[in-house]
Amino acid sequence: ETGVTQTPRHLVMGMTNKKSLKCEQHLGHNAMYWYKQSAKKPLELMFVYNFKEQTENNSVPSRFSPECPNSSHLFLHLHTLQPEDSALYLCASSLGGAVEYGYTFGSGTRLTVV
Amino acid sequence: SQQGEEDPQALSIQEGENATMNCSYKTSINNLQWYRQNSGRGLVHLILIRSNEREKHSGRLRVTLDTSKKSSSLLITASRAADTASYFCARSYNTDKLIFGTGTRLQVFP
Repeated sequence: ETGVTQTPRHLVMGMTNKKSLKCEQHLGHNAMYWYKQSAKKPLELMFVYNFKEQTENNSVPSRFSPECPNSSHLFLHLHTLQPEDSALYLCASSLGGAVEYGYTFGSGTRLTVV
Repeated sequence: SQQGEEDPQALSIQEGENATMNCSYKTSINNLQWYRQNSGRGLVHLILIRSNEREKHSGRLRVTLDTSKKSSSLLITASRAADTASYFCARSYNTDKLIFGTGTRLQVFP
């Protein structure tokens, strides 16, 4: 375990379902991130939260809705997804942002949209 | 594209050989970081090199940075089968986010 826990590890959902991904860290980090990793594509930054305030939304479709209730928890709410949204969704956290420190990643949620 | 590019895309070597992966980028950086990802898992931070540093070591890893050429390299010496993974460079610039490259898939055969 890296200190960043993502649940569930695997998720299969229909296009009309609503589901949520959860990320939790108890490393004392103040920044949390959602990344999407699709086959044969670079990691795509989706959202950045710093001290639970959203500081980046990288033109993500509204069917992805993030929530950060406190500095230790981050959610990604999913609704009416498309098959092309199938990917590995990675959560990461950092202390002070990437400028001085690296990220700690969770193991990811493998999402399949059917 | 703001993303970095790793070269080669894939690399196959025998145990004991050295593996060198390269990363190029287009804009300025505060630091450049290397990560490793085992198949289908999260990324693990390996090493960070700041823009004013030229070389850094960590165990069997050696990272170099040439800001004039906007490139970095990761050398893994005396590779092991357990080093089989994908390796990514990521650059940080003036904000609290990392932009990742496309990755190099390394296969080390016993």
